Parts: sequence; C-alpha cells; structure tokens
Amino acid sequence: DVKVTQSSRYLVKRTGEKVFLECVQDMDHENMFWYRQDPGLGLRLIYFSYDVKMKEKGDIPEGYSVSREKKERFSLILESASTNQTSMYLCASSPIIQGSYNEQFFGPGTRLTVL
Amino acid sequence: AQKVTQAQTEISVVEKEDVTLDCVYETRDTTYYLFWYKQPPSGELVFLIRRNSFDEQNEISGRYSWNFQKSTSSFNFTITASQVVDSAVYFCALNPTSGTYKYIFGTGTRLKVLA
Repeated sequence: DVKVTQSSRYLVKRTGEKVFLECVQDMDHENMFWYRQDPGLGLRLIYFSYDVKMKEKGDIPEGYSVSREKKERFSLILESASTNQTSMYLCASSPIIQGSYNEQFFGPGTRLTVL
Repeated sequence: AQKVTQAQTEISVVEKEDVTLDCVYETRDTTYYLFWYKQPPSGELVFLIRRNSFDEQNEISGRYSWNFQKSTSSFNFTITASQVVDSAVYFCALNPTSGTYKYIFGTGTRLKVLA
C-alpha cells in the first residue's frame, strides 16, 4: 500500500524554537509538497520540490525552509517558531506521468502548536 | 487569476439524502486538471477523482458522481443516498498546466451527515 508518512501527528513547541517536520514517501515520486491548512483558508502551498536538492517557493514561504537530500524525504523547517505558525501541516507527493502533474498523495498531517 | 471557489462552507443533511457540493474555478489555461479530495476526521486527504479539461463526460463511481461543465467553469460533486461515513471536508482543486506545478485548492466544504 502506497504511503506518505509524517514524523509526528501532534507537536507542541515554544516560540523561538527550531522545528523540523519530516515527511517520507515510498512511491518513488518526483514531486513533494508542504502545505499548511487553516480554517477558512483551505490548503496553502509553502514549498515544493521536484527533485533531490531542488525546491521552489510556494505562496507562503516566509518563516520556513525545506530540505530534500533524498528522493523519498522532504523536510520542513521552521527556523524560529512563532505563534502564527500554529497550524496543520500536510505533506504530499505526486508522480509526473507523461509530462503532466497528477493527483497528490497526502500524509496524515502534523498539528503544530506554538506556545 | 487562477482560483477555486467552494461557496458552501458547511452542509448538513440527513442520512440517505442526496447532496451536491459546488466547485467553481477560474483559469486562462485551455488545458488543466480538476480534482476532488476527501478529508475525513483522521486528517489525511484522500484522492477521489481527476478530470482533464478536454473530458467533459460526467462520471459516476458508486454513490459518487461528478458533473463537469466548462461553459460555467464548474465541477460539482454529488453524493447519492448519503451515509454517516461521508461526513468529511471535501476539497476541489485545480492544476493548470501552463508550466506550473501549482495545485490551487478551494477552501473546502464540510459535510455533516446525520443519522
């Protein structure tokens, strides 16, 4: 069964801490994504990676960075957590088939609370 | 502008009723893909359907059906004879193919099916 896993379901951190959210997919997908989900705002793209060590900013990259050292792993880093980064974080992956982007496979999400 | 609008924030129905979730999109691309995802209380988004812009055939899968109308830029989702297990947040998403990886998500519709 194909899977996207995220390192934690729930996380509580303090303001100013450095936070790492890990995502691993076992489907050999080229593309990986980090979104945050907030009530009334839907899913907003933070960062996207289309290959190892390659990344592109999404709609709301401020305060975040990412790392993709291996194809299956995509990490989201909050350099200095702030309370407005309290949210649900969703990781996704998708293959490229015939040059087009396809459905995304999502992980279970990490609900991060920054105090 | 590229945009997905799900005007219904929340819908409540009684079990066995039919329900339609609306999705209206905006894009200047002639080629694009539309998706529906389901997010149950567990949090993980589950892919339901992918439709490309050249295929306006309606689709039925069990109790689920989708009505794609390019003339009105809509891609509506109907659940027939709803069940309690259909309770979830449903997201419509657009993937324009103008060289972009971006998936544009609507804000979601929360469906509550009451026993």
